[in-house]
Amino acid sequence: DVKVTQSSRYLVKRTGEKVFLECVQDMDHENMFWYRQDPGLGLRLIYFSYDVKMKEKGDIPEGYSVSREKKERFSLILESASTNQTSMYLCASSPPSGQGVEEQYFGPGTRLTVT
Amino acid sequence: AQSVTQLDSQVPVFEEAPVELRCNYSSSVSVYLFWYVQYPNQGLQLLLKYLSGSTLVKGINGFEAEFNKSQTSFHLRKPSVHISDTAEYFCAVSPMNTGFQKLVFGTGTRLLVSP
Repeated sequence: DVKVTQSSRYLVKRTGEKVFLECVQDMDHENMFWYRQDPGLGLRLIYFSYDVKMKEKGDIPEGYSVSREKKERFSLILESASTNQTSMYLCASSPPSGQGVEEQYFGPGTRLTVT
Repeated sequence: AQSVTQLDSQVPVFEEAPVELRCNYSSSVSVYLFWYVQYPNQGLQLLLKYLSGSTLVKGINGFEAEFNKSQTSFHLRKPSVHISDTAEYFCAVSPMNTGFQKLVFGTGTRLLVSP
């Protein structure tokens, strides 16, 4: 079974702190994604990566950056956390589309609260 | 650009009753269509997907969905629900012209099944 793990289920940080959210997948997937999930807004794509050291902005990248130094690990970075970044963050991975339209496999999520 | 509309934010039903969760989409290009389910305190998992061929798609746990191109809809149905189907359901589309799977999600429908 594909497994996507996220470093924390719950995280509480203070305004202005630098925050790292880590995601690891064990299926050698090329594609990795970071979403945030908010009530009434569904899931919105923050960043994605289709290869090591490659990244592309999603729909809401402002206030976030990412890092992918190894294929299995994709990190989301909040340079200076703000209260409007309080949300559920979901990581996902998928094989390359050249193999067909593959599903995305999701981690359990990290609920981040910024106070 | 693509957008997905799930008009019902919450659908309450009794156990063993049928249910339909509605999904409409808008896109200037052809899309693939997906339904994901999120059980409490978990990440998302794929229920079913439509790529091509028969417009009636069967998924896991007895769910099915029908693609209607003229009405740009992809409604999810189950003839008899169980308590364990209580979850949030997300409809998503992915444009066919991208080299990878970029999902655009709806806002979600919370299915509440009571005895």
